[in-house]
Amino acid sequence: RKEVEQDPGPFNVPEGATVAFNCTYSNSASQSFFWYRQDCRKEPKLLMSVYSSGNEDGRFTAQLNRASQYISLLIRDSKLSDSATYLCAATGDSNYQLIWGAGTKLIIKP
Amino acid sequence: EAGVAQSPRYKIIEKRQSVAFWCNPISGHATLYWYQQILGQGPKLLIQFQNNGVVDDSQLPKDRFSAERLKGVDSTLKIQPAKLEDSAVYLCASSLRQGDSEQYFGPGTRLTVT
Repeated sequence: RKEVEQDPGPFNVPEGATVAFNCTYSNSASQSFFWYRQDCRKEPKLLMSVYSSGNEDGRFTAQLNRASQYISLLIRDSKLSDSATYLCAATGDSNYQLIWGAGTKLIIKP
Repeated sequence: EAGVAQSPRYKIIEKRQSVAFWCNPISGHATLYWYQQILGQGPKLLIQFQNNGVVDDSQLPKDRFSAERLKGVDSTLKIQPAKLEDSAVYLCASSLRQGDSEQYFGPGTRLTVT
């Protein structure tokens, strides 16, 4: 089993819709979690950190469920520009490690 | 603030040849990472430096890959000799501290081995 798993998608979503995807992690010792966005043929960029109390930034909401060991990302009122691959990452046994998922591809259609 | 710089941006070599990539992290960032990203996959950590010391190189194929960060700033990653399966994007990232700190990525070097 992979340490950090994501549904690769693609998620095809109409513009204006709400979309959510999850990322599961296997290491119960993981302390910090992140969502990164990666546009086609570009480098990953931090979208948001995921705190135990949840985190909201505009149309984006990230939540952590420690009991079930997953983090989620919710995008409301999706825009064409939200089309990208969304990578999740979690710290490993030692807090210096960051373990990456393979990413979920999101396509927003007009 | 200048971002993470990498060069070259693209490189095409034949198998068994050597190649080197260079990375200049954001000023003041103590932690530097080299990742390999194969199309359709997430970044795979090759090596992580804290200043000029290696923190994690467990996934670095040491028979052919080497990396250094001699003065705790710039870093180079070398592949010698290259194999077809090394075709990937090599991403350099830096962060203020390890693990729970935001990582800033460079634009990457797209390597094609023929």
